[in-house]
Amino acid sequence: DAGITQSPRYKITETGRQVTLMCHQTWSHSYMFWYRQDLGHGLRLIYYSAAADITDKGEVPDGYVVSRSKTENFPLTLESATRSQTSVYFCASSETRQILSGNTIYFGEGSWLTVV
Amino acid sequence: GQQLNQSPQSMFIQEGEDVSMNCTSSSIFNTWLWYKQDPGEGPVLLIALYKAGELTSNGRLTAQFGITRKDSFLNISASIPSDVGIYFCAGPVSGNTPLVFGKGTRLSVIA
Repeated sequence: DAGITQSPRYKITETGRQVTLMCHQTWSHSYMFWYRQDLGHGLRLIYYSAAADITDKGEVPDGYVVSRSKTENFPLTLESATRSQTSVYFCASSETRQILSGNTIYFGEGSWLTVV
Repeated sequence: GQQLNQSPQSMFIQEGEDVSMNCTSSSIFNTWLWYKQDPGEGPVLLIALYKAGELTSNGRLTAQFGITRKDSFLNISASIPSDVGIYFCAGPVSGNTPLVFGKGTRLSVIA
């Protein structure tokens, strides 16, 4: 079972380039999320989506664009990458909005992005 | 925004020792989640707590939902090398996703 997969796993890009990180889930979960992980900051929410064509900003959305044309995909685009966007990016999904018994958030394995 | 404060930030312990870490918030949470992140991987859920005062175990791990609903504790008994990783507490804002995360406790186990 694939679950939630991210690609690429590792990427090096130059400042100013556009980069897209892909996320695909096979569970038909309604909710999908993008977090970034940086030393000293833990996991911070970039954007999330409640369903196809519905997206909302998280804590640190500046410099990022998301789309959700299909339920199973939630790509994250850095339109003009900056060095401060060097980070590990995690995609996650959840069946429903409510965190109740039996429902939680599941994470992908992460995408390591370096902007030089 | 919401902040979850985890302590300690990092720990170095001997194999076989017990470990305690905690998470506090200035706001009330109705659910507390504890995740573990292995090196090079994404976080994986360890324990979920849904009621104040609840004590839940998962193998050598035990977590408690504080009575005030503003804190939670995670204990690991008889640590082993594979316990190495970062432990995150998390909670949903207003009972719903998305989750907010603490900054993590980095655990190192010395054999």
